[in-house]
Amino acid sequence: AQSVTQLDSQVPVLEEAPVELRCNYSSSVSVYLFWYVQYPNQGLQLLLKYLSGSTLVESINGFEAEFNKSQTSFHLRKPSVHISDTAEYFCAVSSNNAGNMLTFGGGTRLMVKP
Amino acid sequence: DAMVIQNPRYQVTQFGKPVTLSCSQTLNHNVMYWYQQKSSQAPKLLFHYYDKDFNNEADTPDNFQSRRPNTSFCFLDIRSPGLGDAAMYLCATSSYVSSYEQYFGPGTRLTVT
Repeated sequence: AQSVTQLDSQVPVLEEAPVELRCNYSSSVSVYLFWYVQYPNQGLQLLLKYLSGSTLVESINGFEAEFNKSQTSFHLRKPSVHISDTAEYFCAVSSNNAGNMLTFGGGTRLMVKP
Repeated sequence: DAMVIQNPRYQVTQFGKPVTLSCSQTLNHNVMYWYQQKSSQAPKLLFHYYDKDFNNEADTPDNFQSRRPNTSFCFLDIRSPGLGDAAMYLCATSSYVSSYEQYFGPGTRLTVT
């Protein structure tokens, strides 16, 4: 069985400060990893994904995440956040053994303050 | 643009009154999913379709049913909504080729009075 743990339920941060949202997963097989963002009263939007290849993946709006197999982590980082980054962030894992079903972490609420 | 559409965005129903939520997609994806998301929680998978092959999660209540009349449309029926069914309902799709990558609709916020 696969599982995802997001260690922080809320992360308050000042505008223009760096941020890291932590995600650890558990799986006995090769995995695909995702970060989704959810703005209030909206659906989930795919922010970035790791399928294979380079362990560092980037999004178009400045976020990046690094797949660390030895630490079973996929932390999300941004060097300088904006007010508009305030949202809920979900880490998710999928694998062929799980029928490619997504398993979500509990979510981290990023709160960017001026 | 290809997308996943959910209607309505907000739905209010009365306790015990059946309600139907709809989802359509222009991505031509074979797989469609329904999730329930309660406040400050992760989405919880209710069921999914591989084409017309229906797959129910073991802990999905019998109160929840689904229909997929064709590739583009999928419906979620709640036969007798209770107060505990108030939630955001999310529809998602994926293709066989990259079934691990799901595309989500904007969701329907269901309120039960």
